[in-house]
Amino acid sequence: EAAVTQSPRNKVAVTGGKVTLSCNQTNNHNNMYWYRQDTGHGLRLIHYSYGAGSTEKGDIPDGYKASRPSQENFSLILELATPSQTSVYFCASGDEGYSDYTFGSGTRLLVI
Amino acid sequence: GMPVEQNPPALSLYEGADSGLRCNFSTTMKSVQWFQQNHRGRLITLFYLAQGTKENGRLKSTFNSKERYSTLHIKDAQLEDSGTYFCAAANTGNYKYVFGAGTRLKVIA
Repeated sequence: EAAVTQSPRNKVAVTGGKVTLSCNQTNNHNNMYWYRQDTGHGLRLIHYSYGAGSTEKGDIPDGYKASRPSQENFSLILELATPSQTSVYFCASGDEGYSDYTFGSGTRLLVI
Repeated sequence: GMPVEQNPPALSLYEGADSGLRCNFSTTMKSVQWFQQNHRGRLITLFYLAQGTKENGRLKSTFNSKERYSTLHIKDAQLEDSGTYFCAAANTGNYKYVFGAGTRLKVIA
């Protein structure tokens, strides 16, 4: 069954440390997205990608980098984690153009 | 204002009741999606619409691009319908979906 898988499910990081969140999709979708969810803000787009090798800035990209080495994998990188990046992070994939999303289960990140 | 506004922010329904959720858009949108986030935090896609109306069981959604709104109607509410409902809309020229802040629904026995 086609799916979006995120790892890790939970992560505790130290301020100033590097964090990498991984996302793998078996939907063969071109587009992939990283969102964060915070109380009162809904989901906000951090970075997205139209295909392997491409990354685009979303609405709140500061402090984050992204990498799309292949069609299946899309990573979110926090080079210098800060407590303000404590959140739940969701990855999603979507077909080319306008289409419905498939979301991963989320990664809960705590930066202390 | 916010590009996607959802109303109401919270809603309580008795089992068996019907109700509607609404999203208003500050600009013309090309498509809309509706999601349910369950008690485990999982986001489930309910509908994708580029226009018109779709139905799935007790759920029905309408998207009116010209009038800048979308609705989600829940019929005969069940306990398992409890959760947070999000709409997300994409603007012309890009495929980025902007989310509303959500409607927290509680279905009461």
